[in-house]
Amino acid sequence: SQTIHQWPATLVQPVGSPLSLECTVEGTSNPNLYWYRQAAGRGLQLLFYSVGIGQISSEVPQNLSASRPQDRQFILSSKKLLLSDSGFYLCAWKAGGPQYFGPGTRLTVT
Amino acid sequence: GEDVEQSLFLSVREGDSSVINCTYTDSSSTYLYWYKQEPGAGLQLLTYIFSNMDMKQDQRLTVLLNKKDKHLSLRIADTQTGDSAIYFCAEMYTDKLIFGTGTRLQVFP
Repeated sequence: SQTIHQWPATLVQPVGSPLSLECTVEGTSNPNLYWYRQAAGRGLQLLFYSVGIGQISSEVPQNLSASRPQDRQFILSSKKLLLSDSGFYLCAWKAGGPQYFGPGTRLTVT
Repeated sequence: GEDVEQSLFLSVREGDSSVINCTYTDSSSTYLYWYKQEPGAGLQLLTYIFSNMDMKQDQRLTVLLNKKDKHLSLRIADTQTGDSAIYFCAEMYTDKLIFGTGTRLQVFP
């Protein structure tokens, strides 16, 4: 069966520090991968999605970036965090069926 | 552009039925989804319906789709306190999900 992992589960970082969030999927090949941000426990904003290794589409211009170095690995990064980057970051995967979500990473920028 | 709308809150008594409503804009959507999010957790896929169906039932959950009005609903029978959560509907558009703002369901004894 398929499983999706995200880490870390929670993160507190100062403004201006770098960021790296990781997402990995097990039990499937060549999935579509997605990064979402959820602010204040509400709507989800699609940040990036990828249909294959090295293929990244950005939905919202901002100081975040994404990379897909391996088929089932998706990384969200920032060189310098802003206060507005705080939120709940969710990774998701899809392989010909519904989209499934990971457990999320709670990021607090102080 | 594509838009999905939901009411923000719903409060029901334990044991009653809950009906969460959603409207969407893209008539070419192939699948429509319902997700559940408990506090501090990711989104859990509850159920989904193909656009050529009118209804889908899965245990206590019933999904109704009115394509003409672009209206989707989720009915939870015999609502329990464990059903308290935020419920998101979503439509699939060009391989991406468009989410509603979520409906917070509160179940009281």
